[in-house]
Amino acid sequence: EIVMTQSPATLSVSPGERATLSCRASQSVSSNLAWYQQKPGQAPRLLIYGASTRATGIPARFSGSGSGTEFTLTISSLQSEDFAVYYCQQYNNWPPGVYTFGQGTKLEIK
Amino acid sequence: QVQLVQSGAEVKKPGASVKVSCKVSGYTLTELSMHWVRQAPGKGLEWMGGFDPEDGETIYAQKFQGRVTMTEDTSTDTAYMELSSLRSEDTAVYYCATADSSSDPFDYWGQGTLVTVSS
Repeated sequence: EIVMTQSPATLSVSPGERATLSCRASQSVSSNLAWYQQKPGQAPRLLIYGASTRATGIPARFSGSGSGTEFTLTISSLQSEDFAVYYCQQYNNWPPGVYTFGQGTKLEIK
Repeated sequence: QVQLVQSGAEVKKPGASVKVSCKVSGYTLTELSMHWVRQAPGKGLEWMGGFDPEDGETIYAQKFQGRVTMTEDTSTDTAYMELSSLRSEDTAVYYCATADSSSDPFDYWGQGTLVTVSS
């Protein structure tokens, strides 16, 4: 099983500043990496797929990068609505259909 | 636009089974790869398993094999997840989520179903 490790566990950032979240895979997942945002009491929302492609309706301040085993989610200028928990997920195609999530990074207001 | 509506909260005793439903609208179930993800209170997301439409098989996470069964009723576009031999550690919110294929991320999610296991 591919293990996904996110860092840091908690990130404190002021509104308007930049946030950088990291995700590492225990083996290469190519670019089969997604990022999700989850707010309290809500289902997760897809932000980024293919490591760097924004999902429909996601603001341009969210960007993803990386390939292989190292990935980054950057939020360029934090808005109040961006404070949430972020998860990375690998959906590499072998074994097919087996997905694993990272443990999450909580982005909190500084 | 896919919409996923799940069944309501459940309270079960240890050792019992629970069956959660997920009704699809906007698409037909046969066009989608349906998956189930759970989240224990205050914890992260855990993939339980899902359907691979390319080969018609359901794949379960190793942790749940033997205890979970995922089925689909294509006549009503409803998916089901049944978890047996419940224990307190199974207390969680259970989500259905869909992907375009078994090699895609989850772009639509249900609202979640809270399952509480308590004696």
